[in-house]
Amino acid sequence: AQSVTQLDSQVPVFEEAPVELRCNYSSSVSVYLFWYVQYPNQGLQLLLKYLSGSTLVKGINGFEAEFNKSQTSFHLRKPSVHISDTAEYFCAVSEQAGNQFYFGTGTSLTVIP
Amino acid sequence: KAGVTQTPRYLIKTRGQQVTLSCSPISGHRSVSWYQQTPGQGLQFLFEYFSETQRNKGNFPGRFSGRQFSNSRSEMNVSTLELGDSALYLCASSLLTGTYEQYFGPGTRLTVT
Repeated sequence: AQSVTQLDSQVPVFEEAPVELRCNYSSSVSVYLFWYVQYPNQGLQLLLKYLSGSTLVKGINGFEAEFNKSQTSFHLRKPSVHISDTAEYFCAVSEQAGNQFYFGTGTSLTVIP
Repeated sequence: KAGVTQTPRYLIKTRGQQVTLSCSPISGHRSVSWYQQTPGQGLQFLFEYFSETQRNKGNFPGRFSGRQFSNSRSEMNVSTLELGDSALYLCASSLLTGTYEQYFGPGTRLTVT
């Protein structure tokens, strides 16, 4: 089974500063990779996904992530955060030949005015 | 297209009772997965249904069960509720198998007293 590690449980950052949320996964087999965002009392919204092709993936709200196969990482970045980015962010992995998603424990991003 | 809908959004039950939650996937999606989200355990996979068949099951007791109908709508049932079942229950739909990108509903907040 996969394990997904989000090392930072909480990340405070000032408004307009850049941010990186880290995600590492365990498997070396072919995977699909995802980042989801969850606002309070809501479900998860897909931010971006890597299925194949270019390792730099651009998503909604100005976020991007880079797939690094050798380091089994899929870190999420944004060059300038806004107050509205305050939310919980989840990294998820699924094996292309597998049958379920595996989620990290989440990173709470707080943007400070 | 309409998104994933879940009913009810909020539910309060007493220990020992049973509860049924409903999920309507995005039109055309055949896979429905269920997750339990709690502050301590994060997102935990319950089960996945595809074309009315349970394809995969997480590590939950038999009190948790589900089914899927021919129109892909799914229900989840929890019998003999325990205090620890209090959680946000999320449903996600996917076009094909559960390893492809998943789209989440807003969740059902279950409180067991």
